[in-house]
Amino acid sequence: GQQLNQSPQSMFIQEGEDVSMNCTSSSIFNTWLWYKQDPGEGPVLLIALYKAGELTSNGRLTAQFGITRKDSFLNISASIPSDVGIYFCAGPRVGSARQLTFGSGTQLTVLP
Amino acid sequence: KAGVTQTPRYLIKTRGQQVTLSCSPISGHRSVSWYQQTPGQGLQFLFEYFSETQRNKGNFPGRFSGRQFSNSRSEMNVSTLELGDSALYLCASSLVGQGSEAFFGQGTRLTVV
Repeated sequence: GQQLNQSPQSMFIQEGEDVSMNCTSSSIFNTWLWYKQDPGEGPVLLIALYKAGELTSNGRLTAQFGITRKDSFLNISASIPSDVGIYFCAGPRVGSARQLTFGSGTQLTVLP
Repeated sequence: KAGVTQTPRYLIKTRGQQVTLSCSPISGHRSVSWYQQTPGQGLQFLFEYFSETQRNKGNFPGRFSGRQFSNSRSEMNVSTLELGDSALYLCASSLVGQGSEAFFGQGTRLTVV
């Protein structure tokens, strides 16, 4: 089945630094979604990408849909303490727009 | 606009019992999906309901079932609970025909003892 490989698994960065994480797949995805999950909460949708090569920003967050349609990147600029959490990439299963496959997540820790 | 509401937030059950979890989607969202989140397996799709019909199903045993009501609210049921069913169960609602964007509730933390 479709699998998403997300890296890195965890990151420790200083406040103010930029962060980059990515997601790859052996299968083509038509959509890439990026979520953030805080402890004890459900994932919150950050960015949705629908077109190969698309670059979309949401405040300090920027995500890109890879040209090959097999990867996506999420960048966070000038990190702040509230950026702490787990970031997930997700994409729909082939033939089913609302059945999402999730990556294993990137745990981000921001040090003061 | 209210978000996705899941009840209860926490639940402790004994092996062999059954449990029912509830989800109210965002107003106007007619698709409801359920996911199981565990440290070992991550987020895994259980099933999706739209117009009171199960549209997609993940790779889970028949002990996991669900239903959707005419007001789009959904319930999922797990029968004959096992220790391995301990997890965060997440409900997500979506607009049908509007891509794949799913909006999640806070989840129900189920502990089986």
